[in-house]
Amino acid sequence: NAGVTQTPKFQVLKTGQSMTLQCAQDMNHNSMYWYRQDPGMGLRLIYYSASEGTTDKGEVPNGYNVSRLNKREFSLRLESAAPSQTSVYFCATRQVWNTEAFFGQGTRLTVV
Amino acid sequence: QQQVKQSPQSLIVQKGGISIINCAYENTAFDYFPWYQQFPGKGPALLIAIRPDVSEKKEGRFTISFNKSAKQFSLHIMDSQPGDSATYFCAAETFYNQGGKLIFGQGTELSVKP
Repeated sequence: NAGVTQTPKFQVLKTGQSMTLQCAQDMNHNSMYWYRQDPGMGLRLIYYSASEGTTDKGEVPNGYNVSRLNKREFSLRLESAAPSQTSVYFCATRQVWNTEAFFGQGTRLTVV
Repeated sequence: QQQVKQSPQSLIVQKGGISIINCAYENTAFDYFPWYQQFPGKGPALLIAIRPDVSEKKEGRFTISFNKSAKQFSLHIMDSQPGDSATYFCAAETFYNQGGKLIFGQGTELSVKP
């Protein structure tokens, strides 16, 4: 039982390149989230999907797009990567609000 | 604008001591306050959570104290152990008008010295 799986684990991009971070969960959870973690800034919410078919902006959505492909999968796309997007990205899932969120292992992204 | 403010940013405690991490919030609609623990190279994991209808919740050596009027809550780790060395995040959310938007604080890096 994998839980929450993020791919890739590491990525180096050049400024202006695009890429998609993938997240898949086998916990049958309704809600999925994308966070970025930067030193001294904590975990900041980029986008979330409260249920299949819905997505909403979080605290720092600029420069990102998301797709809730189905109940299991929630992808994060960087259309034109910038050095300011260098970060560790975490996907999280949970059944409903006010319950435990389960996080993936993270994707370490460097934009040069 | 940081909706949940956490302090201190880092904390060093001797083994057996008490670790205290504080968080403050502005949105009075917040109604769920979890704490997450993160070890290096791992994703955060839920440690303990509280709702505003209680002032304290204890699970083993970990206690959340909640002060609704001051809009503050804190994590106390009693008898701190080297294995508790990790980054701790407080968080908050409200269902109303937020749809389950879980907001985190800036994190506290705890180091427990043997």
